[in-house]
Amino acid sequence: DAGITQSPRHKVTETGTPVTLRCHQTENHRYMYWYRQDPGHGLRLIHYSYGVKDTDKGEVSDGYSVSRSKTEDFLLTLESATSSQTSVYFCAISLNPADTQYFGPGTRLTVL
Amino acid sequence: DQQVKQNSPSLSVQEGRISILNCDYTNSMFDYFLWYKKYPAEGPTFLISISSIKDKNEDGRFTVFLNKSAKHLSLHIVPSQPGDSAVYFCAASAIEGAQKLVFGQGTRLTINP
Repeated sequence: DAGITQSPRHKVTETGTPVTLRCHQTENHRYMYWYRQDPGHGLRLIHYSYGVKDTDKGEVSDGYSVSRSKTEDFLLTLESATSSQTSVYFCAISLNPADTQYFGPGTRLTVL
Repeated sequence: DQQVKQNSPSLSVQEGRISILNCDYTNSMFDYFLWYKKYPAEGPTFLISISSIKDKNEDGRFTVFLNKSAKHLSLHIVPSQPGDSAVYFCAASAIEGAQKLVFGQGTRLTINP
């Protein structure tokens, strides 16, 4: 299994509060991704990173920001959480853009 | 606009028989396709992939078929085993923007003993 951890694994928060999710990898992969999984939608790309301090938007980036200050860490921030951001969030990594993406265990976020 | 569609939310198959999961796509720029398997409370795990230059790729009990003219791919599992019970996602990417995987909605496969 690829060395990917996500923290926290579960979080309950209230509308309007800031939330940061962390993805940590030990594989030294260049690319890192954040997805959300919702019923009826599969997984949708939020943001991805192609190197330290290099990030780009995915399909559903509104309301989310990311940062990558080290190769091994990729942070996803919800500046002001909304109920529509209740979801399961997955981090993934890949060595190169066309390589297979390997996923972390996920974070279940509930926004009340 | 769902570019990758898995029209069957669920599928039930008897142990030992063949499981066939289907996936359709609309974007003709997609040239690489993958299947992921997901157990509850875990992240998706890569299962098998196929490039658009091929029409079939096999790995043990798993075979993926690609029909480019129909924009359709399928995953065959034979023989099906109880441990195959999971949600299966197909995903696709294009040469330009290969890092941007587009996933289908998933199909829940249940293997009955």
